[in-house]
Amino acid sequence: AQSVTQLGSHVSVSEGALVLLRCNYSSSVPPYLFWYVQYPNQGLQLLLKYTSAATLVKGINGFEAEFKKSETSFHLTKPSAHMSDAAEYFCAVSRLEYGNKLVFGAGTILRVKS
Amino acid sequence: NAGVTQTPKFRVLKTGQSMTLLCAQDMNHEYMYWYRQDPGMGLRLIHYSVGEGTTAKGEVPDGYNVSRLKKQNFLLGLESAAPSQTSVYFCASTGGSGNSPLHFGNGTRLTVT
Repeated sequence: AQSVTQLGSHVSVSEGALVLLRCNYSSSVPPYLFWYVQYPNQGLQLLLKYTSAATLVKGINGFEAEFKKSETSFHLTKPSAHMSDAAEYFCAVSRLEYGNKLVFGAGTILRVKS
Repeated sequence: NAGVTQTPKFRVLKTGQSMTLLCAQDMNHEYMYWYRQDPGMGLRLIHYSVGEGTTAKGEVPDGYNVSRLKKQNFLLGLESAAPSQTSVYFCASTGGSGNSPLHFGNGTRLTVT
């Protein structure tokens, strides 16, 4: 079985501060890992994905995530928050042998204060 | 570029009514999925399809049925709507390899009174 846990349903940072959104996965073998972002009243958009090519993955809008097998983590970071980063972020895991089904975490709402 | 299109965008049903949500994709994707999104619960998989003519149950299939008669379309049906099915429904598709990202529609907001 596979699952994803996102620590913190709400995170609040000041504009210009570091963004850190936490994600831990549970999987018996290294999975594929994703971060998606959802802006209000929209569907989800892919931020970045881990596919075992490199442990540090760079995504769109200045976000990056590091895969740490020993910690079963895939935390999302951005050095300097911008007001436009306010959204809900979802970590997800999938495996081909499960029909590529994505299992999502509960989501973290990021608030950016001016 | 249409991508994944969901219709309708909004719908209000009375308990016991039925309806069908339509998802259409123009990317020739094999895999299609229906998720529901509820506050604090992320997205939960209802049903999915790994190709034309196939369907399979996800995490929360009860009360829903699906059909994939054409590769580009994936229909989600509610035979007898219940208030617990009030949610935002998302359709998604992907090309088929394990690391292929999902492409999402913009969602259907359903309220059952």
